[in-house]
Amino acid sequence: DAKTTQPTSMDCAEGRAANLPCNHSTISGNEYVYWYRQIHSQGPQYIIHGLKNNETNEMASLIITEDRKSSTLILPHATLRDTAVYYCIVRVGTGANSKLTFGKGITLSVRP
Amino acid sequence: DAGVIQSPRHEVTEMGQEVTLRCKPISGHNSLFWYRQTMMRGLELLIYFNNNVPIDDSGMPEDRFSAKMPNASFSTLKIQPSEPRDSAVYFCASSSIPTDEAFFGQGTRLTVV
Repeated sequence: DAKTTQPTSMDCAEGRAANLPCNHSTISGNEYVYWYRQIHSQGPQYIIHGLKNNETNEMASLIITEDRKSSTLILPHATLRDTAVYYCIVRVGTGANSKLTFGKGITLSVRP
Repeated sequence: DAGVIQSPRHEVTEMGQEVTLRCKPISGHNSLFWYRQTMMRGLELLIYFNNNVPIDDSGMPEDRFSAKMPNASFSTLKIQPSEPRDSAVYFCASSSIPTDEAFFGQGTRLTVV
């Protein structure tokens, strides 16, 4: 079972920042938070992951609260091509026994 | 690298027939995952391998499903016999280590009639 809860959907205007929230109140100390997205009819695509520090890459920023019970994925300048389902995932297990379990995700719609 | 390659992209088969889905992971990746996606159940992890060894097959729905990884560059997911409720998109993904980012293939859309 997924250990995260996300809103069902949200939208934002093109060019604005998209802030996607995620709750993971039962996360354990050594479990990472991962974000993937799935554009219609394609396979999921990795975005970013983190443990407790904030992370940034060329795609997005990940802000994790100090108690690690929630996080926010930030797309700084959303484009129409960012319209997709975004999955927040807590990776369960360690090493070779680690696995990604996807929940329902949040559908982000970027409007012109 | 061409990424994770799955074949076929589309498969239509009759109920009761055997179906074999194929996956070629990214060269050098040691972990391989099979997922199934339906509207009702979303993305489900079926089984994953590490260094060609099945680590967790708890997501395999029934004995009709089996998966093999005979070598580091090839894996199959077989359904025998197939049923209409097996209709779904099946994704294969690979990663260099289990905790690294996973790269997904384009999926195989299976329709069982």
